Amino acid sequence: ETGVTQSPTHLIKTRGQQVTLRCSSQSGHNTVSWYQQALGQGPQFIFQYYREEENGRGNFPPRFSGLQFPNYSSELNVNALELDDSALYLCASSLAGPNTGELFFGEGSRLTVL
Amino acid sequence: QQQVKQSPQSLIVQKGGISIINCAYENTAFDYFPWYQQFPGKGPALLIAIRPDVSEKKEGRFTISFNKSAKQFSLHIMDSQPGDSATYFCAASRAFGNEKLTFGTGTRLTIIP
Repeated sequence: ETGVTQSPTHLIKTRGQQVTLRCSSQSGHNTVSWYQQALGQGPQFIFQYYREEENGRGNFPPRFSGLQFPNYSSELNVNALELDDSALYLCASSLAGPNTGELFFGEGSRLTVL
Repeated sequence: QQQVKQSPQSLIVQKGGISIINCAYENTAFDYFPWYQQFPGKGPALLIAIRPDVSEKKEGRFTISFNKSAKQFSLHIMDSQPGDSATYFCAASRAFGNEKLTFGTGTRLTIIP
């Protein structure tokens, strides 16, 4: 059983650019959530995807967008990058349904915006 | 608005001692309270979780104590070991099975020999 994998692991962008981060969910999981973890802080919920639809969103602007594909993998897109977007972006997968709450996190993609 | 407050920010405990990390929440709709452990360069991993219908849950050396009236919960690590050195996050969500977690700011735990 493979875990959650994310790519790339590290990347550097300049302000104003766009970035796409990718996530493959754990085998059998149909829900993907994205979190932003700034240095020294706890993860903050960006949004969640279930059945290829956005299923809840945190306090992030529209320039943060996502996709979920039929194989349950997902992308996070950030447009017009700002310096404050520098963070570790975590993808987590889970199995939607009653009594299933555990999130399985990937190791993250560390984005640096210069 | 920070909905889950965590303390202390950092903690140093001697090997074999008890590590205690505290969290307080504001939203009474929260219904699921997990603790995550994160090692450097890794994503958070679920350690233990509790729902408010019980006041305590124990798994091995890890115990969650929950006080619904005070809106507080804590993690106790008994017989702390150097391998427990990591950052610990408390979290909360509105429903078990609802994965939209609100995390605390984290506690960096260091176990010294």
